[in-house]
Amino acid sequence: GAVVSQHPSWVICKSGTSVKIECRSLDFQATTMFWYRQFPKQSLMLMATSNEGSKATYEQGVEKDKFLINHASLTLSTLTVTSAHPEDSSFYICSAKGLAGGGSYNEQFFGPGTRLTVL
Amino acid sequence: AQSVSQHNHHVILSEAASLELGCNYSYGGTVNLFWYVQYPGQHLQLLLKYFSGDPLVKGIKGFEAEFIKSKFSFNLRKPSVQWSDTAEYFCAVIRQTGANNLFFGTGTRLTVIP
Repeated sequence: GAVVSQHPSWVICKSGTSVKIECRSLDFQATTMFWYRQFPKQSLMLMATSNEGSKATYEQGVEKDKFLINHASLTLSTLTVTSAHPEDSSFYICSAKGLAGGGSYNEQFFGPGTRLTVL
Repeated sequence: AQSVSQHNHHVILSEAASLELGCNYSYGGTVNLFWYVQYPGQHLQLLLKYFSGDPLVKGIKGFEAEFIKSKFSFNLRKPSVQWSDTAEYFCAVIRQTGANNLFFGTGTRLTVIP
């Protein structure tokens, strides 16, 4: 149990286009989902936190108009990188929190990540 | 502000050597603590976690960690490493109450030489 999936796993796009990344909790209801960004050989940086049905809370320095987050249901959150540029190339990871698999409420389950390459 | 420090950036060990990776956090309240591992080209996996009770926590693959509240530390240990333990290790902390953000350390890269 407690599986989180992301789609796509790798996407390559042209500069100026928008890319949507999906994050799904497959076997539990995620009350909160998180989006992280990981640069090569660096740690995960939290971008935003989203609760189902409400607006996402963005971390300082993250442009909310560029990184659109929609948490439409208890099992799905999407991150849309709008007008992507080469500097947006990164590894984007989502995680989900909820009562799953006997785990504690504070435990986050991570997706496999999505590698975005902007040409 | 809450922070998580991992002092070792890159550790190189020979197989069968013992491992200890340091993790310290700055928040004074009650916390939950985690160690995650990221093998090359793979996603984060939970190694072990501490929520309450016995401060010595055993995880998967022979790893363990000890929560020392007075030192704000949660060091990861393994008595005998294997080549397959080569990976990036991340310590993470979340407050039990209030903000539900998971704060990550900068990570420690472990290279095990056969």
